[in-house]
Amino acid sequence: DTAVSQTPKYLVTQMGNDKSIKCEQNLGHDTMYWYKQDSKKFLKIMFSYNNKELIINETVPNRFSPKSPDKAHLNLHINSLELGDSAVYFCASSQRGGQSYNEQFFGPGTRLTVL
Amino acid sequence: QQQVKQSPQSLIVQKGGISIINCAYENTAFDYFPWYQQFPGKGPALLIAIRPDVSEKKEGRFTISFNKSAKQFSLHIMDSQPGDSATYFCAASYTGRRALTFGSGTRLQVQP
Repeated sequence: DTAVSQTPKYLVTQMGNDKSIKCEQNLGHDTMYWYKQDSKKFLKIMFSYNNKELIINETVPNRFSPKSPDKAHLNLHINSLELGDSAVYFCASSQRGGQSYNEQFFGPGTRLTVL
Repeated sequence: QQQVKQSPQSLIVQKGGISIINCAYENTAFDYFPWYQQFPGKGPALLIAIRPDVSEKKEGRFTISFNKSAKQFSLHIMDSQPGDSATYFCAASYTGRRALTFGSGTRLQVQP
């Protein structure tokens, strides 16, 4: 039933570790996103994929690498985790269409805590 | 140019009152202005959205007012209810860049 799902819900890890967050959508959308929400609740785009092609890559450290094995999945791999990476990461999806006004559906988020 | 400025940061309203949240943008390329509602521990969910060819859109108790010349838009919640207590984000995007640029959020508390 879940439109956009993410695993895990919570992730606690040590500095320097490598971790992955998985995202799946069953809406048949062709565009997927990763957003980061910091401790002040500010939401910012990190990456956007359309049909498995990277179309937006904001100024994100190259320790973050998104991977889209197919249109329904967009995973986020983070190398050498740092304290500042602690945040809630949201996956979202939308149907691209020809206009900008296509609703983005967000997943429940993954709370990453780096110790 | 990508910024969307949102105010107030927090808002306390009595049940039955009107909640008003304001946003301003700089980038005139923006052509889609959604409002998202986020409850604690949940992802943002679309509440209502507007395009710049209309000045107002109403859905139930929620209304967006849009002023293109001033580059401002606002969310009005009529008859505010305790269940409306959440964080509200304005956002903007434009054709060619599907990603949303979010405002900083407004924490709304509706007191019974």
